[in-house]
Amino acid sequence: GQQVQQSPTSLVLQEGENAELQCNFSTSLNSMQWFYQRPGGSLVSVFYNPSGTKQSGRLTSTTVIKERRSSLHISSSQITDSGTYLCAINMGYKLTFGTGTSLLVDP
Amino acid sequence: EAAVTQSPRNKVTVTGGNVTLSCRQTNSHNYMYWYRQDTGHGLRLIHYSYGAGNLQIGDVPDGYKATRTTQEDFFLLLELASPSQTSLYFCASSDNNYAEQFFGPGTRLTVL
Repeated sequence: GQQVQQSPTSLVLQEGENAELQCNFSTSLNSMQWFYQRPGGSLVSVFYNPSGTKQSGRLTSTTVIKERRSSLHISSSQITDSGTYLCAINMGYKLTFGTGTSLLVDP
Repeated sequence: EAAVTQSPRNKVTVTGGNVTLSCRQTNSHNYMYWYRQDTGHGLRLIHYSYGAGNLQIGDVPDGYKATRTTQEDFFLLLELASPSQTSLYFCASSDNNYAEQFFGPGTRLTVL
């Protein structure tokens, strides 16, 4: 089965609403990352978060290794937050990616 | 200034053609990676390297060669391109094998 599962698959928000994206993994890992992918392709690392909680502006990532889950919280969403959010786990040398959450923020 | 760059950004070739994708990183990282991204499969590792002259096989290596000429430069070679290799290719670098990976902007390759 899939080692990294993300939910929801897609999400539509009104501007200003909050969002919670989930990432669950079925194996132990060394670290994990969240990425944002713009329509058109480029990948931007949002968080490198082996464990615990990290915040950057309106984004907060919480990773609980023993529970094999990570979440990405987006507060006060903006239209420019639209895109795909990918989580990836590192088990030793490569990243194994989830299939992503597609986020659309409407005005 | 971008720390991982890729060239070309877009490439169109024909079946059987030769293609070389280039990646340069200025992070002084030891590890470099080539991934491909396809709808329905996500991102998958093709090859990676932990130093100049080193090459390690990833999960989907068939049809690809790679060469790490310097710490900064990592090349992906498709010697007989096939339509199944039409994809978005990403290069990445990291300091060690479990550290944060930094990605380039991607190369979109189309094989007709």
